[in-house]
Amino acid sequence: QQPVQSPQAVILREGEDAVINCSSSKALYSVHWYRQKHGEAPVFLMILLKGGEQKGHEKISASFNEKKQQSSLYLTASQLSYSGTYFCGTGGGSTLGRLYFGRGTQLTVWP
Amino acid sequence: DAGVIQSPRHEVTEMGQEVTLRCKPISGHNSLFWYRQTMMRGLELLIYFNNNVPIDDSGMPEDRFSAKMPNASFSTLKIQPSEPRDSAVYFCASSRDSSNEKLFFGSGTQLSVL
Repeated sequence: QQPVQSPQAVILREGEDAVINCSSSKALYSVHWYRQKHGEAPVFLMILLKGGEQKGHEKISASFNEKKQQSSLYLTASQLSYSGTYFCGTGGGSTLGRLYFGRGTQLTVWP
Repeated sequence: DAGVIQSPRHEVTEMGQEVTLRCKPISGHNSLFWYRQTMMRGLELLIYFNNNVPIDDSGMPEDRFSAKMPNASFSTLKIQPSEPRDSAVYFCASSRDSSNEKLFFGSGTQLSVL
């Protein structure tokens, strides 16, 4: 049930771009993206619903390909504040409420 | 809006003791989730309530774990008896209606069972 995220870790210089992928073996209805900083709770970034839409949040955007059962998170011109662990959460329409999270991708941005 | 409130923030107990974690969801939110986070397993869904009714408790690891939601503004997660392998951060999260809406997480309870 748990989606698979890749890569496990990314190290960037400020201003560089990154892509984080999330894939599931199950049909997806929704994909959530959250960021968690050390010692804090996960914070919502965006949610994508079935329909293949792409969403944006500042310089962070995401796509959802329901046929491939995968989503990607795009971080452009990364800032120091982007550092943290990024989680994708996947939900199936028939299993409303069961939001399963991936193991996370640790992103570190250096000046 | 105070957000999701969890207590205690930290709990240290000895093996065999009962532990009760508490959560107050955001007012007006109908869905409440309990997650456990460890390095080994990441964020695991334990149980999910909708309108105070447990919808899915398949993630509850054992009978030692139980959760209740007696009203729309309060939920508890109880572990009895506790074991060292229960040590983790336990998060409560709420959403307006379902998992198709964004989750608001509480600050978590860091549980250490010695």
